[in-house]
Amino acid sequence: GAGVSQSPSNKVTEKGKDVELRCDPISGHTALYWYRQRLGQGLEFLIYFQGNSAPDKSGLPSDRFSAERTGESVSTLTIQRTQQEDSAVYLCASSPPGLAGNEQFFGPGTRLTVL
Amino acid sequence: AQSVTQPDIHITVSEGASLELRCNYSYGATPYLFWYVQSPGQGLQLLLKYFSGDTLVQGIKGFEAEFKRSQSSFNLRKPSVHWSDAAEYFCAVGASGGSYIPTFGRGTSLIVHP
Repeated sequence: GAGVSQSPSNKVTEKGKDVELRCDPISGHTALYWYRQRLGQGLEFLIYFQGNSAPDKSGLPSDRFSAERTGESVSTLTIQRTQQEDSAVYLCASSPPGLAGNEQFFGPGTRLTVL
Repeated sequence: AQSVTQPDIHITVSEGASLELRCNYSYGATPYLFWYVQSPGQGLQLLLKYFSGDTLVQGIKGFEAEFKRSQSSFNLRKPSVHWSDAAEYFCAVGASGGSYIPTFGRGTSLIVHP
């Protein structure tokens, strides 16, 4: 079946511009996560959606970052007024419901470059 | 709060040699433990997971890991490394209750020499 998809795969933008990154999770997966991965570093948790519950936004680094999810489907991560330090790979992951919910299925990521 | 330590940033091995990547975790209850692999330019792929039961877990691509509660460790092993195993490896710990937000280690980069 189809895995997690992300678009665009690469995004180059100028400092100060807004960007939107999209994630399509696996059908039936109730949980969706966004992570940031800076070059040569580990995964930095950004935000977590679980079904219709209020999202856990505790990882968002500033109010320039926001994310939405429509039901249990597509999610969009928006970065406003981008800065050079926002350059990173943004990874999306989804998880099935229940006890297996800790296992994550990752998309290929969106590489964001802010000039 | 849960945490994960991967003490080795880089590991270099020769093709055909054995491999062990270290992972130590901190969590108050029984953890869910994972190893993921990330090839260059790719997302993360699950290698194996431990939820409960047998402490020696078999995964894909010939990898295995052993959960040792007394040492708070979940080290990844492979008896004979292939050049295609060169990648970044991440250990993660998930909560067995409550929040389902796993915590990832910073990763270990595996370099394989021919």
